[in-house]
Parts: sequence; structure tokens; C-alpha cells
Amino acid sequence: GESVGLHLPTLSVQEGDNSIINCAYSNSASDYFIWYKQESGKGPQFIIDIRSNMDKRQGQRVTVLLNKTVKHLSLQIAATQPGDSAVYFCAENIGNYGQNFVFGPGTRLSVLP
Amino acid sequence: DTAVSQTPKYLVTQMGNDKSIKCEQNLGHDTMYWYKQDSKKFLKIMFSYNNKELIINETVPNRFSPKSPDKAHLNLHINSLELGDSAVYFCASSQDGQDTQYFGPGTRLTVL
Repeated sequence: GESVGLHLPTLSVQEGDNSIINCAYSNSASDYFIWYKQESGKGPQFIIDIRSNMDKRQGQRVTVLLNKTVKHLSLQIAATQPGDSAVYFCAENIGNYGQNFVFGPGTRLSVLP
Repeated sequence: DTAVSQTPKYLVTQMGNDKSIKCEQNLGHDTMYWYKQDSKKFLKIMFSYNNKELIINETVPNRFSPKSPDKAHLNLHINSLELGDSAVYFCASSQDGQDTQYFGPGTRLTVL
């Protein structure tokens, strides 16, 4: 089912450190997952995706880890920069016809100078 | 070139009015969506359209009606606006239901 956050979790990291943002998903049958970044006043922007037949995928400075056993997804950002400050969402595809994405409640990442 | 565009960006209106938000995508995608984002940033899918056919209709009030004149457009009509409709509405598109969704910039709707 969906999770409704009472407040937006916040993660504060020092510039240059690595960030890890976690997400628990709901449906063990979900086979496709996406991480989005949403900057203030903008729409969510695709960062990286992963399918359920993988447990790790790397992009430029970002890595997504998938643990299907505990239904957990994480986004790792290396050498966090001020431009990484945003709200990050995980989304799982739970639709029968592959067209129903459920978004997590989001995590606000604040990068400290 | 803007991939997914929405108009207007801001919409302020009185309760009881009827309003529309327009969305266009120039990506050649087959599927378009509407999402509602509340004040706590929670994103919920409202509708999706695939080749002009409604695929998903979440439990949204029937005051909301998506209309797709062609594959590149999915407009959202809202009748009898209520205070609780105040939110940011995002349009998105994807090549198919298994593919990445590209979001528009959002329309901030404020109902007074």
C-alpha cells in the first residue's frame, strides 16, 4: 500500500561527503524502480532506475542498491555537491500493465557548505 | 526544446469555478499521466492515458476529468473546485508503462 508521510524526512550532509537516501517499497511484485530528484519549483527529474533482476546499478556519481528480500531501495550520491540539494523520491512500478507508479514520501537532502 | 510543458504555471481561482490545465509533450511518447502533489510533497498518480485510452483512473473525484485530443496532449479539467484541490499538478509522459516518466514543470493551483 501507499505510505503517507506526516513530515518530509531530511538528510543533511557536508559538501564532499557521500549521501545515502533510503526507501522502503510496498509491493514484493514490483519489478521496476526509479529514483527522481525534485528541485524547488520544478518537476521530478529522472536520476537512475533499476529492474528487479539486478541488485546494483551505477551512474555518474550515483548508485542504486536494491534489496528485494527486505523490499529496500537506496540511492548513494558520491561527493555530494550543493546542486544535489533537493527532494528525492523513489518510485515503484506496481501496475498490472506496467503503468502504475507509486512514489515514496520523499527525502529532502540539504548539502551544508 | 521543452519536452513536457504545462500551462498555466500558476492558477488562482475561487471555490466552485471550473478550470483546465493543459499539457503537451513533444517526445513522441505513448503514455501520459497526471499527478497531484500535496503540501507535504506527496506525489499521487491521478490518471494515465495510453493511445487516447484511459488506463488508470485512481479514486479521484469525478470532478476531475482528463481529456486527450491527441497523443501529444493530455488536459485536466476540474469542475466545481474545492479548497482541498489546492496542490501542484504535474503532467508526465513515458514511452510505455515500463519506461521512465518525464515530468512537466507543474501547475500550482490555489483555490480561495
